[in-house]
Amino acid sequence: DVKVTQSSRYLVKRTGEKVFLECVQDMDHENMFWYRQDPGLGLRLIYFSYDVKMKEKGDIPEGYSVSREKKERFSLILESASTNQTSMYLCASSLSGTGGQETQYFGPGTRLLVL
Amino acid sequence: DAKTTQPPSMDCAEGRAANLPCNHSTISGNEYVYWYRQIHSQGPQYIIHGLKNNETNEMASLIITEDRKSSTLILPHATLRDTAVYYCIVRDTIMGSGYALNFGKGTSLLVTP
Repeated sequence: DVKVTQSSRYLVKRTGEKVFLECVQDMDHENMFWYRQDPGLGLRLIYFSYDVKMKEKGDIPEGYSVSREKKERFSLILESASTNQTSMYLCASSLSGTGGQETQYFGPGTRLLVL
Repeated sequence: DAKTTQPPSMDCAEGRAANLPCNHSTISGNEYVYWYRQIHSQGPQYIIHGLKNNETNEMASLIITEDRKSSTLILPHATLRDTAVYYCIVRDTIMGSGYALNFGKGTSLLVTP
């Protein structure tokens, strides 16, 4: 079974703090994704990575950065946390390819509260 | 990706089959139908996907109509743990690896004792 783990289930941070969210997958997937999920807005893609050290902006990258130094690990960084970044953060991973191979598998999520 | 339409909510008695419909009338030939579900406060869970043929796995069956304009996810013997929001997603895999999934609003399935 694919396993995607996230470093924390719940986090409480203060405005202005630097926040690190980590995601690890154990299936040797090339692609990794960070989404945020907010009520009424669905899932929105923040960043994705298709290889080590490679990254692409998603729909809402402002205020975030990412790091992928190893294939299995993808980190999301909030450079200076703000209250509007309070959200559920979801990491996903997938193989590269076509023909339905690119199924994305999700981690359990991190619920971040910024005070 | 083609747009999908799902009923906002459904009920199902425990032990009965849950049949969740999805309309995707503008689907194109390259687009797969994916189903995920999300139990409250957890990450989305992949269930099944298909292109043209019906598919079955240990979790569910996916029935796709011949014209591919609609599909039905079947949970053969629903349990209370199947209570979740179910999302039908149509995705063009030719678009490449970095394509975000559009989860939409989904169907909230309530399984009752």
